[in-house]
Amino acid sequence: GQQLNQSPQSMFIQEGEDVSMNCTSSSIFNTWLWYKQEPGEGPVLLIALYKAGELTSNGRLTAQFGITRKDSFLNISASIPSDVGIYFCAGDRSGAGSYQLTFGKGTKLSVIP
Amino acid sequence: EPEVTQTPSHQVTQMGQEVILRCVPISNHLYFYWYRQILGQKVEFLVSFYNNEISEKSEIFDDQFSVERPDGSNFTLKIRSTKLEDSAMYFCASSDPAGGNTIYFGEGSWLTVV
Repeated sequence: GQQLNQSPQSMFIQEGEDVSMNCTSSSIFNTWLWYKQEPGEGPVLLIALYKAGELTSNGRLTAQFGITRKDSFLNISASIPSDVGIYFCAGDRSGAGSYQLTFGKGTKLSVIP
Repeated sequence: EPEVTQTPSHQVTQMGQEVILRCVPISNHLYFYWYRQILGQKVEFLVSFYNNEISEKSEIFDDQFSVERPDGSNFTLKIRSTKLEDSAMYFCASSDPAGGNTIYFGEGSWLTVV
């Protein structure tokens, strides 16, 4: 099946630092989504990317849909303690209105105050 | 903001028992989904549902699983005879192609099979 390689697996950073994580695939995706998940909760959508090359921001978060459509990155600027959680990338190939998302394995972010 | 709601939040069941997980998708959404996440692993697609029928399903969604929209608001996942390896968090999700086509997830139902 399709695989998304997400890195890094985990990060420990100081409050105020910037964070970068990315996902790559050998397959082309039509949509890239970035989610944050906290313990015992469902994934919460952070940013959705629909076009190759698209760069989108949501507050301190910025994500880009790679030109090749095989990769995406998420940056978090000036991290704060509430940024702690697991961040997942997810890609969709269908483009037909419904989602059959392939998720990455997640990046666990820890922020040291 | 509208949200996907799921019940129960946690269920413990004996192996071999039937389980029904319930979801209320966002009201104007047309596509409904079930995903699952085994503890410590990534989220995996199970099934999508549109126009009262399954539109896509994964290899995980075998004959033990079924989905139903019994009325205008609920969307259910039934596991006929649970196995230990069915223990996972099950997420319902919904999306609307006309509304930006963003997919939203519920908070999940944690199923423990003993």
